[in-house]
Amino acid sequence: EVQLVESGGGLVQPGGSLRLSCAASGFGFSRFEMNWVRQAPGKGLEWVSYISGRGGTIYYADSVKGRFTISRDNAKNSLYLQMNSLRVEDTAIYYCARDLRGEHDFWGQGTLVTVSS
Amino acid sequence: SSELTQDPAVSVALGQTVRITCHGDSLRNYYASWYQQRPGQAPVLVIYGANNRPSGIPDRFSGSSSGNTASLTITAAQAEDEADFYCNSRDSSGNHYVFGTGTKVTVL
Repeated sequence: EVQLVESGGGLVQPGGSLRLSCAASGFGFSRFEMNWVRQAPGKGLEWVSYISGRGGTIYYADSVKGRFTISRDNAKNSLYLQMNSLRVEDTAIYYCARDLRGEHDFWGQGTLVTVSS
Repeated sequence: SSELTQDPAVSVALGQTVRITCHGDSLRNYYASWYQQRPGQAPVLVIYGANNRPSGIPDRFSGSSSGNTASLTITAAQAEDEADFYCNSRDSSGNHYVFGTGTKVTVL
């Protein structure tokens, strides 16, 4: 059974940092591209970042480029999102999602990040 | 444009058919995928590619595309279909993804 479990969310002050993790199981993690997607409270879905199976190709949404860094450790079946210079508008539930030929076929349950003073 | 626009809300009587549309220039080059999100839950993929359903998705869900518009049709809607639905595709560059604005489906 495919499982994605996010962790690392919490309350952080504006300008602070946080590192999210996504533990994957039930599939060959290194063979799949992965994404982070977020959802602000009461709002729609927003794609955040993409990483290829081996980590050689990475893309970011303009809203987070230069502040967030996506990475993965295939030996640990884990995906990460390092978030720096956090802003109030980064407050959201952050989901990791498996990428299959351009669609996100499995999602974790998400981890809540709250940026507030 | 890299935007995908959807009607904010639609309603459908129990057992009737509803179509949700998604408009965007990138849909001329890329298929849309569709996601159902019930309150408090993570999104679930319901349609991908030309008109493909993942395992476990009822066949009352179907997809189509023409020009810059993708559509999700729910035939004989059930009470459990009440949810927010989002389309998703690559943007015009092909390197980024973009989600639609979302449609709230109410089953009456």
